[in-house]
Amino acid sequence: DIQMTQSPSSLPASLGERVTISCRASQGISNNLNWYQQKPDGTIKPLIYYTSNLQSGVPSRFSGSGSGTDYSLTISSLEPEDFAMYYCQQDASFPLTFGSGTKLEIK
Amino acid sequence: EVKLVESGGGLVQPGRSLKLSCAASGFSFNDYWMGWVRQAPGKGLEWIGEINQDSSTINYTPSLKDKFTISRDNAQNTLYLQMSKLGSEDTAIYYCARAPMGMDAWGQGASVTVSS
Repeated sequence: DIQMTQSPSSLPASLGERVTISCRASQGISNNLNWYQQKPDGTIKPLIYYTSNLQSGVPSRFSGSGSGTDYSLTISSLEPEDFAMYYCQQDASFPLTFGSGTKLEIK
Repeated sequence: EVKLVESGGGLVQPGRSLKLSCAASGFSFNDYWMGWVRQAPGKGLEWIGEINQDSSTINYTPSLKDKFTISRDNAQNTLYLQMSKLGSEDTAIYYCARAPMGMDAWGQGASVTVSS
Protein backbone atom coordinates (compact mmCIF):
# COMPACT_ATOMS: atom_id res chain seq x y z
CA ASP A 1 0.00 0.00 0.00
CA ILE A 2 1.11 3.58 -0.62
CA GLN A 3 1.52 5.52 2.61
CA MET A 4 0.67 9.21 2.62
CA THR A 5 2.46 11.42 5.13
CA GLN A 6 0.80 14.77 5.62
CA SER A 7 2.31 17.77 7.43
CA PRO A 8 1.89 19.64 9.57
CA SER A 9 -0.82 17.94 11.62
CA SER A 10 -1.85 21.30 13.01
CA LEU A 11 -1.40 24.71 11.43
CA PRO A 12 -2.29 27.89 13.33
CA ALA A 13 -2.76 30.78 10.93
CA SER A 14 -4.36 34.21 10.64
CA LEU A 15 -6.95 35.62 8.28
CA GLY A 16 -5.34 36.78 5.07
CA GLU A 17 -2.27 34.63 5.57
CA ARG A 18 -0.84 32.35 2.90
CA VAL A 19 -0.48 28.75 4.03
CA THR A 20 0.84 25.52 2.57
CA ILE A 21 0.07 21.93 3.53
CA SER A 22 2.36 19.15 2.39
CA CYS A 23 1.76 15.54 1.48
CA ARG A 24 4.43 12.96 0.75
CA ALA A 25 3.79 9.56 -0.79
CA SER A 26 5.86 6.49 0.04
CA GLN A 27 6.39 5.97 -3.69
CA GLY A 28 5.78 7.94 -6.86
CA ILE A 29 2.11 8.52 -7.62
CA SER A 30 2.36 10.30 -10.97
CA ASN A 31 0.30 13.33 -9.93
CA ASN A 32 -2.66 11.17 -8.84
CA LEU A 33 -3.18 13.27 -5.75
CA ASN A 34 -6.42 14.81 -4.51
CA TRP A 35 -7.28 17.22 -1.69
CA TYR A 36 -10.40 17.44 0.47
CA GLN A 37 -11.70 19.81 3.10
CA GLN A 38 -13.74 18.62 6.06
CA LYS A 39 -15.74 20.95 8.24
CA PRO A 40 -16.50 20.31 11.95
CA ASP A 41 -20.00 19.11 11.08
CA GLY A 42 -18.44 16.33 9.00
CA THR A 43 -19.21 17.75 5.59
CA ILE A 44 -16.51 16.79 3.10
CA LYS A 45 -15.80 19.05 0.15
CA PRO A 46 -13.55 18.00 -2.72
CA LEU A 47 -11.03 20.72 -3.50
CA ILE A 48 -8.45 19.56 -6.02
CA TYR A 49 -7.94 16.51 -8.22
CA TYR A 50 -4.90 15.28 -10.13
CA THR A 51 -2.53 17.54 -8.20
CA SER A 52 -3.64 20.92 -9.46
CA ASN A 53 -7.16 20.87 -10.94
CA LEU A 54 -9.78 22.75 -8.96
CA GLN A 55 -13.09 21.00 -8.47
CA SER A 56 -16.14 22.91 -9.61
CA GLY A 57 -16.96 25.87 -7.41
CA VAL A 58 -13.68 25.91 -5.47
CA PRO A 59 -12.30 29.44 -5.05
CA SER A 60 -9.13 30.34 -6.92
CA ARG A 61 -7.27 31.07 -3.67
CA PHE A 62 -6.81 27.29 -3.45
CA SER A 63 -4.06 25.77 -5.55
CA GLY A 64 -2.16 22.50 -5.71
CA SER A 65 1.23 21.52 -6.99
CA GLY A 66 3.78 18.76 -6.88
CA SER A 67 5.17 15.76 -8.65
CA GLY A 68 6.69 12.39 -7.95
CA THR A 69 6.24 11.81 -4.23
CA ASP A 70 5.84 15.39 -2.96
CA TYR A 71 2.68 17.48 -3.21
CA SER A 72 1.24 20.56 -1.61
CA LEU A 73 -1.97 22.50 -1.15
CA THR A 74 -1.69 26.28 -0.89
CA ILE A 75 -4.33 28.76 0.22
CA SER A 76 -3.22 32.19 -0.89
CA SER A 77 -5.20 34.33 1.54
CA LEU A 78 -7.16 32.69 4.34
CA GLU A 79 -10.85 33.39 4.63
CA PRO A 80 -12.89 32.55 7.76
CA GLU A 81 -14.52 29.55 6.08
CA ASP A 82 -11.13 27.97 5.32
CA PHE A 83 -10.44 26.95 8.91
CA ALA A 84 -11.11 23.22 8.74
CA MET A 85 -9.42 19.84 8.33
CA TYR A 86 -7.63 19.04 5.10
CA TYR A 87 -6.79 15.60 3.73
CA CYS A 88 -4.73 14.45 0.79
CA GLN A 89 -5.50 11.19 -1.01
CA GLN A 90 -3.65 9.19 -3.62
CA ASP A 91 -5.55 7.35 -6.33
CA ALA A 92 -2.57 6.10 -8.26
CA SER A 93 -3.16 2.54 -7.11
CA PHE A 94 -5.54 0.48 -5.02
CA PRO A 95 -6.04 0.54 -2.13
CA LEU A 96 -6.51 4.28 -2.20
CA THR A 97 -5.05 5.95 0.86
CA PHE A 98 -5.49 9.24 2.69
CA GLY A 99 -3.07 11.36 4.60
CA SER A 100 -3.66 11.72 8.32
CA GLY A 101 -5.02 15.24 7.99
CA THR A 102 -4.05 18.82 8.79
CA LYS A 103 -6.14 20.94 11.12
CA LEU A 104 -6.02 24.54 9.96
CA GLU A 105 -6.95 26.65 12.94
CA ILE A 106 -7.16 30.30 13.80
CA LYS A 107 -4.06 31.69 15.45
CA GLU B 1 -27.71 19.00 -8.43
CA VAL B 2 -25.65 15.96 -7.57
CA LYS B 3 -26.96 14.41 -4.37
CA LEU B 4 -25.86 11.38 -2.36
CA VAL B 5 -27.87 10.33 0.67
CA GLU B 6 -26.73 7.53 2.96
CA SER B 7 -29.15 5.57 5.11
CA GLY B 8 -29.30 2.44 7.20
CA GLY B 9 -26.95 3.46 9.98
CA GLY B 10 -27.62 3.01 13.68
CA LEU B 11 -26.73 0.99 16.74
CA VAL B 12 -25.77 -2.64 16.12
CA GLN B 13 -24.50 -5.34 18.44
CA PRO B 14 -21.02 -6.78 18.06
CA GLY B 15 -20.88 -9.69 15.64
CA ARG B 16 -24.01 -8.64 13.80
CA SER B 17 -24.42 -7.37 10.25
CA LEU B 18 -25.68 -4.11 8.80
CA LYS B 19 -26.35 -2.86 5.28
CA LEU B 20 -25.97 0.78 4.33
CA SER B 21 -27.56 2.36 1.29
CA CYS B 22 -26.61 5.42 -0.70
CA ALA B 23 -29.28 6.94 -2.91
CA ALA B 24 -27.90 8.92 -5.82
CA SER B 25 -29.64 11.62 -7.83
CA GLY B 26 -28.83 14.49 -10.15
CA PHE B 27 -26.46 12.57 -12.40
CA SER B 28 -26.30 9.46 -14.53
CA PHE B 29 -25.47 6.95 -11.79
CA ASN B 30 -24.53 4.11 -14.14
CA ASP B 31 -21.77 6.21 -15.73
CA TYR B 32 -19.66 6.47 -12.58
CA TRP B 33 -17.48 4.48 -10.25
CA MET B 34 -18.78 4.79 -6.70
CA GLY B 35 -17.07 4.28 -3.37
CA TRP B 36 -17.27 4.19 0.42
CA VAL B 37 -15.08 5.97 2.97
CA ARG B 38 -15.36 5.86 6.74
CA GLN B 39 -14.18 7.95 9.66
CA ALA B 40 -13.91 6.59 13.18
CA PRO B 41 -14.53 9.05 16.03
CA GLY B 42 -11.67 11.54 16.25
CA LYS B 43 -9.76 9.82 13.45
CA GLY B 44 -8.96 10.48 9.81
CA LEU B 45 -10.56 9.23 6.62
CA GLU B 46 -10.26 5.58 5.66
CA TRP B 47 -11.03 4.40 2.13
CA ILE B 48 -13.14 1.23 2.16
CA GLY B 49 -13.52 0.44 -1.52
CA GLU B 50 -14.95 1.28 -4.93
CA ILE B 51 -17.13 -0.38 -7.53
CA ASN B 52 -17.15 0.27 -11.25
CA GLN B 53 -20.12 1.07 -13.42
CA ASP B 54 -21.31 -2.47 -14.16
CA SER B 55 -20.10 -4.09 -10.93
CA SER B 56 -17.49 -6.13 -12.78
CA THR B 57 -14.64 -4.60 -10.76
CA ILE B 58 -14.70 -4.00 -7.02
CA ASN B 59 -11.64 -2.96 -5.06
CA TYR B 60 -11.33 -3.02 -1.27
CA THR B 61 -8.83 -1.98 1.29
CA PRO B 62 -7.26 -5.33 2.26
CA SER B 63 -8.12 -5.22 5.96
CA LEU B 64 -11.87 -4.98 5.22
CA LYS B 65 -12.15 -7.23 2.20
CA ASP B 66 -13.49 -10.22 4.16
CA LYS B 67 -16.00 -8.22 6.19
CA PHE B 68 -17.46 -5.68 3.81
CA THR B 69 -19.18 -6.09 0.43
CA ILE B 70 -19.90 -3.25 -1.96
CA SER B 71 -22.67 -3.58 -4.52
CA ARG B 72 -24.92 -1.36 -6.60
CA ASP B 73 -28.30 -1.36 -8.30
CA ASN B 74 -28.15 0.88 -11.35
CA ALA B 75 -31.90 0.59 -11.91
CA GLN B 76 -32.48 2.04 -8.44
CA ASN B 77 -29.54 4.48 -8.55
CA THR B 78 -28.37 3.03 -5.26
CA LEU B 79 -25.01 1.98 -3.84
CA TYR B 80 -24.76 -0.49 -0.97
CA LEU B 81 -22.31 -1.47 1.73
CA GLN B 82 -22.95 -4.80 3.42
CA MET B 83 -21.02 -5.07 6.67
CA SER B 84 -20.66 -8.31 8.61
CA LYS B 85 -19.03 -9.49 11.84
CA LEU B 86 -19.05 -5.94 13.13
CA GLY B 87 -16.82 -4.97 16.01
CA SER B 88 -16.27 -1.84 18.03
CA GLU B 89 -13.52 -0.84 15.60
CA ASP B 90 -16.18 -0.43 12.92
CA THR B 91 -17.91 2.38 14.81
CA ALA B 92 -17.66 5.29 12.40
CA ILE B 93 -19.37 7.68 10.05
CA TYR B 94 -19.71 6.02 6.65
CA TYR B 95 -19.66 8.20 3.56
CA CYS B 96 -20.50 7.28 0.00
CA ALA B 97 -18.81 9.19 -2.80
CA ARG B 98 -18.75 9.47 -6.55
CA ALA B 99 -15.39 8.61 -7.96
CA PRO B 100 -14.37 9.95 -11.37
CA MET B 101 -11.82 12.67 -10.69
CA GLY B 102 -10.77 12.00 -7.16
CA MET B 103 -14.00 11.62 -5.22
CA ASP B 104 -15.92 14.62 -6.51
CA ALA B 105 -19.20 14.33 -4.61
CA TRP B 106 -19.88 13.08 -1.09
CA GLY B 107 -22.89 12.25 0.98
CA GLN B 108 -23.46 13.63 4.45
CA GLY B 109 -22.56 10.32 6.07
CA ALA B 110 -24.35 7.60 8.03
CA SER B 111 -23.42 6.93 11.64
CA VAL B 112 -22.79 3.34 12.70
CA THR B 113 -22.23 2.47 16.35
CA VAL B 114 -21.23 -1.06 17.31
CA SER B 115 -22.00 -1.70 20.95
CA SER B 116 -23.82 -4.16 23.17
